[in-house]
Amino acid sequence: GQNIDQPTEMTATEGAIVQINCTYQTSGFNGLFWYQQHAGEAPTFLSYNVLDGLEEKGRFSSFLSRSKGYSYLLLKELQMKDSASYLCAAIDSNYQLIWGAGTKLIIKP
Amino acid sequence: NAGVTQTPKFRILKIGQSMTLQCTQDMNHNYMYWYRQDPGMGLKLIYYSVGAGITDKGEVPNGYNVSRSTTEDFPLRLELAAPSQTSVYFCASSYSGPEGETQYFGPGTRLLVL
Repeated sequence: GQNIDQPTEMTATEGAIVQINCTYQTSGFNGLFWYQQHAGEAPTFLSYNVLDGLEEKGRFSSFLSRSKGYSYLLLKELQMKDSASYLCAAIDSNYQLIWGAGTKLIIKP
Repeated sequence: NAGVTQTPKFRILKIGQSMTLQCTQDMNHNYMYWYRQDPGMGLKLIYYSVGAGITDKGEVPNGYNVSRSTTEDFPLRLELAAPSQTSVYFCASSYSGPEGETQYFGPGTRLLVL
């Protein structure tokens, strides 16, 4: 079967750095997305990786290792507004998105 | 640009009732999707469309129907509502298929079936 695993919840301190991990098992692989979802709102796009390595975009970076079936989202200089759920989604061989359950990130002052 | 809009925002249905969830996008996107999101679960694809007149089943299509008569609109029909259909429904669109293409989501419809 196809599966995306992410931690259910993480807590971090304002101003710190946090890494949210995602492992995937899919039939084929054509890329991986990270989306941010604030409580009661729609998901919004953060990043897309298809090649191995690190993609940096401001305070947010995303890393992919295709050989390990592994990705992480790195958030630097955490702000209170970063409190949200972070969704990992992988594209399988049928070009369907397989979504993880999301990681709820709690930022404490 | 309004992006992706959904109506209604919230609805309570009785078991056995029917309703249509509306979704409209003004970005001239070819692909449109319907997802449901249950608490603590990932998004599950119900139906998707690659263009006007073309629809296909996703992972959880049972109990739902869709149509795509125009590029802009992609309504989701629930026939004979059941408590298991209590969920948050998101419509999304993208210019082309998932590979490298951002999906833009509507604000969601919260449905409660009692």
